[in-house]
Amino acid sequence: GAVVSQHPSWVICKSGTSVKIECRSLDFQATTMFWYRQFPKQSLMLMATSNEGSKATYEQGVEKDKFLINHASLTLSTLTVTSAHPEDSSFYICSAPDIRSETQYFGPGTRLLVL
Amino acid sequence: GENVGLHLPTLSVQEGDNSIINCAYSNSASDYFIWYKQESGKGPQFIIDIRSNMDKRQGQRVTVLLNKTVKHLSLQIAATQPGDSAVYFCAELSGSARQLTFGSGTQLTVLP
Repeated sequence: GAVVSQHPSWVICKSGTSVKIECRSLDFQATTMFWYRQFPKQSLMLMATSNEGSKATYEQGVEKDKFLINHASLTLSTLTVTSAHPEDSSFYICSAPDIRSETQYFGPGTRLLVL
Repeated sequence: GENVGLHLPTLSVQEGDNSIINCAYSNSASDYFIWYKQESGKGPQFIIDIRSNMDKRQGQRVTVLLNKTVKHLSLQIAATQPGDSAVYFCAELSGSARQLTFGSGTQLTVLP
């Protein structure tokens, strides 16, 4: 199957700082990527849809000024958590669909801990 | 809709037995369904998929059954192994945006 990578795999930061997470499709191009957040013992919740060459679309309740998304190329999307606070601590996962089959392949996730 | 919960449903099976994990999906317009396996601290891993024009699909040791009448999906794992221990999520795809909606997940534990 297709491979999606994320960087970093984990990050610890102080409250008030910004954190950037990268999502790359390694062996295919993705005009769309999705960003999810997952809290312990819970399911994945879609945060936003990243669109190459245009603005991201955000799910209801997700602050677009808090979670900045940039889809710079057909293989890279970034999520920046601005002015992070402890309640932003979570597991952030990206996915990219294989347009040939519509299967979404997921990255390994980024664990964010805000102190 | 959202799936928020503090406790995942759990299923414990003996090694070598067959496992059946069930999922009720919400949108009758969904036309594509995927089962994912998620191990602790990792991203979801694709297991098997099925389109709405099918009612059964088999892979290696896994079978997915789809009952559109009652909006029910199941994953059958044959000869369950310790490496199968993980959380299993069903996901449905619908709409022009082709967004996945995840079920609440089931924690599968394989007992020696």
